[in-house]
Amino acid sequence: AQSVAQPEDQVNVAEGNPLTVKCTYSVSGNPYLFWYVQYPNRGLQFLLKYITGDNLVKGSYGFEAEFNKSQTSFHLKKPSALVSDSALYFCAVRGPMFSGGYNKLIFGAGTRLAVHP
Amino acid sequence: DGGITQSPKYLFRKEGQNVTLSCEQNLNHDAMYWYRQDPGQGLRLIYYSQIVNDFQKGDIAEGYSVSREKKESFPLTVTSAQKNPTAFYLCASSIGARGNSVGNQPQHFGDGTRLSIL
Repeated sequence: AQSVAQPEDQVNVAEGNPLTVKCTYSVSGNPYLFWYVQYPNRGLQFLLKYITGDNLVKGSYGFEAEFNKSQTSFHLKKPSALVSDSALYFCAVRGPMFSGGYNKLIFGAGTRLAVHP
Repeated sequence: DGGITQSPKYLFRKEGQNVTLSCEQNLNHDAMYWYRQDPGQGLRLIYYSQIVNDFQKGDIAEGYSVSREKKESFPLTVTSAQKNPTAFYLCASSIGARGNSVGNQPQHFGDGTRLSIL
């Protein structure tokens, strides 16, 4: 069964330092992977996705993610963190197909990123 | 601007009462979804709809009901049978998969409704 794990409940980083938010996955077949961000009392915003191709995916707000097939990981990264990056980050993987041809999204439990001035 | 509108932002339910959460989208998306978010548990799928007049149960549908009479609208009713309704509810939509690769389109989310018990 498809699943995704975010091993860290919280990540703390100083402003200006690089950040990494970890995600590992388990799928049968080729993985479709997504990162979303959630600010307090808001919905999720799409950051980036990996479907196929280059292992380094660039997304919104300067974020990127590295797909590693051998380690079954899809870690989110940013070279220089901002205080405004503080939020809840969700990794998601395409899950089983619904009967009508759409796919379920399976979300990780989320990682809270705190960027300190 | 296109997007998803959820209302109300905050909602309180009395014992034995049914309440309905509104979700409207103007993105012309075929598929719509309802999720429940609890602290530390990520998002869990309640119901989804892939086309008008059709919807399916997700992972935690007990105590909830939905309708999809219009493409733009996918309201969720939290019934009195849902004994632990306090949560943050998120509505999402995604582009249709007909003729395209399935599963590679992101879901777009509304800003949620926070439901509490009085």
